[in-house]
Amino acid sequence: GDSVTQMEGPVTLSEEAFLTINCTYTATGYPSLFWYVQYPGEGLQLLLKATKADDKGSNKGFEATYRKETTSFHLEKGSVQVSDSAVYFCALSTISSGSARQLTFGSGTQLTVLP
Amino acid sequence: DVKVTQSSRYLVKRTGEKVFLECVQDMDHENMFWYRQDPGLGLRLIYFSYDVKMKEKGDIPEGYSVSREKKERFSLILESASTNQTSMYLCASSLRARGSGELFFGEGSRLTVL
Repeated sequence: GDSVTQMEGPVTLSEEAFLTINCTYTATGYPSLFWYVQYPGEGLQLLLKATKADDKGSNKGFEATYRKETTSFHLEKGSVQVSDSAVYFCALSTISSGSARQLTFGSGTQLTVLP
Repeated sequence: DVKVTQSSRYLVKRTGEKVFLECVQDMDHENMFWYRQDPGLGLRLIYFSYDVKMKEKGDIPEGYSVSREKKERFSLILESASTNQTSMYLCASSLRARGSGELFFGEGSRLTVL
């Protein structure tokens, strides 16, 4: 079945450092890919998405490119801030019963940014 | 703004109790989902619903049931809570399949079963 493998954490960086969180997937067909972020004490919120190969999703300085040839969707940011400290989830969407699209999530990567 | 509201942020229950977790969305979304979140395991789908009175099992439905009597409300029921159901429960909703599949999440309900 479909699956998402995400870089294990936790990841600790200093402010202004470069961030990469790796994500690879296994899926049939052409799924949409997502990065969600969960700040402490909150639910998940969409960070960025890409719906087809070679698309680049971007938001709040974060970027990820849908690479079909390597089945990857790595998250990057050039200069992290303390406020970026959160758990990051990679996910893919697939069609389920009743044409409902459901998401399959990776295990999450805890990022801590130190001042 | 899109809003998914979970009725309880924190609950403490005893083994064997019946537990209801309520979720309401105000976006007229067709699809609703219940996930549980555990450290190192990410989010795992318990049940989902793509229409009123319709429900489908997810990856880990054992020990849970759901109810969707109205479009905006999706309830998760633990008939007889057990300690291994201590977890964070997340409700989410989405538009029907023509969209990309983006989910909108509530803030979560942290359940402790003693």
